[in-house]
Amino acid sequence: RKEVEQDPGPFNVPEGATVAFNCTYSNSASQSFFWYRQDCRKEPKLLMSVYSSGNEDGRFTAQLNRASQYISLLIRDSKLSDSATYLCAVRAGGTSYGKLTFGQGTILTVHP
Amino acid sequence: GAVVSQHPSRVICKSGTSVKIECRSLDFQATTMFWYRQFPKQSLMLMATSNEGSKATYEQGVEKDKFLINHASLTLSTLTVTSAHPEDSSFYICSAFPRTDTQYFGPGTRLTVL
Repeated sequence: RKEVEQDPGPFNVPEGATVAFNCTYSNSASQSFFWYRQDCRKEPKLLMSVYSSGNEDGRFTAQLNRASQYISLLIRDSKLSDSATYLCAVRAGGTSYGKLTFGQGTILTVHP
Repeated sequence: GAVVSQHPSRVICKSGTSVKIECRSLDFQATTMFWYRQFPKQSLMLMATSNEGSKATYEQGVEKDKFLINHASLTLSTLTVTSAHPEDSSFYICSAFPRTDTQYFGPGTRLTVL
């Protein structure tokens, strides 16, 4: 089983749609959780960290469920510019502090 | 904000040659840097953790004699792909970790081995 697994997608949605991605992780010692966005042939850029209480940044909402070991990302009112690959990432503590494990990514295409 | 640079951004080389990739933190000191590799349509896979002044820690399955890492200063880590082969063609990305909650990624280096 992979340490971090994501919906493989791809997701093709019209502008204005709401889309949700899920990501599960296997290491219960994981302490930090993130969503990254990666555009084609570019490096990943941090979209948002995911906090236990859930957090929102504009059209983006992230949730964490420690009991079920999954995180989610909700995008409301999708824009064409949201088209990208979305990667969830998990970081454990202790000696692996700082080391990120990524999911395989979910491709989102928003069309007119 | 924090910036991480990589050089070169793209390199094409012949099979059997060695390629050095530099990763620099431009406005902060990075005691730890990470090197990732990403094959087409796949996710980023951690190759190694680079620690300033000590040996790198390699992930399982990554050959330390093939991927040489040197972190000689608090702002520079280098990855050398020795005797590169076509299967080493990939997107190599470094990240710097200034002991905050956020990692900063370099823009990546696209290696093509002919």
